Amino acid sequence: KAGVTQTPRYLIKTRGQQVTLSCSPISGHRSVSWYQQTPGQGLQFLFEYFSETQRNKGNFPGRFSGRQFSNSRSEMNVSTLELGDSALYLCASSLVAGYHNEQFFGPGTRLTVL
Amino acid sequence: AQRVTQPEKLLSVFKGAPVELKCNYSYSGSPELFWYVQYSRQRLQLLLRHISRESIKGFTADLNKGETSFHLKKPFAQEEDSAMYYCALYGQNFVFGPGTRLSVLP
Repeated sequence: KAGVTQTPRYLIKTRGQQVTLSCSPISGHRSVSWYQQTPGQGLQFLFEYFSETQRNKGNFPGRFSGRQFSNSRSEMNVSTLELGDSALYLCASSLVAGYHNEQFFGPGTRLTVL
Repeated sequence: AQRVTQPEKLLSVFKGAPVELKCNYSYSGSPELFWYVQYSRQRLQLLLRHISRESIKGFTADLNKGETSFHLKKPFAQEEDSAMYYCALYGQNFVFGPGTRLSVLP
């Protein structure tokens, strides 16, 4: 089985711009979670989607949004980028939502905001 | 509130020595605890979870509700255990600790 894929792998944007990141889960997985990883704050939960519905959301401003498509692929969008949004964005997929099923992580998208 | 702390940023041990990576948590309910590992140039992956009560790669972790701890232990460290280790809690969603980098010296 192919693993979780994320595109693009690297991205450079300037302040004020917006960005869309994509995540393709493992085939058959219906749950996708997003995380932000920074040296200062560590790994922080952004949101979780299951069957095209946002099931859970972390403590991030409304500039961060996401969605999930019928094929379980997910996108996250960050609008009005700030310098502090520079981070590694990780996506993880699992069969269903919740902790019972193992999460499989993607390689991440490295976003740099200048 | 959910919180996970890992007091050691870096832990160095010699090959064959016992290793213990500390994890403490705070959560008002009954959480599920996990250990994730990231080897060099690899993806973050699940090492073990409390509910399975398993031993993976010689590692075990015991949940101590009284001390709100979930320390990861291995009696004899190997060089291939060198990695970044994250303790995680699932209450309402996943919360990860800051991580401990384990370096096993030859």
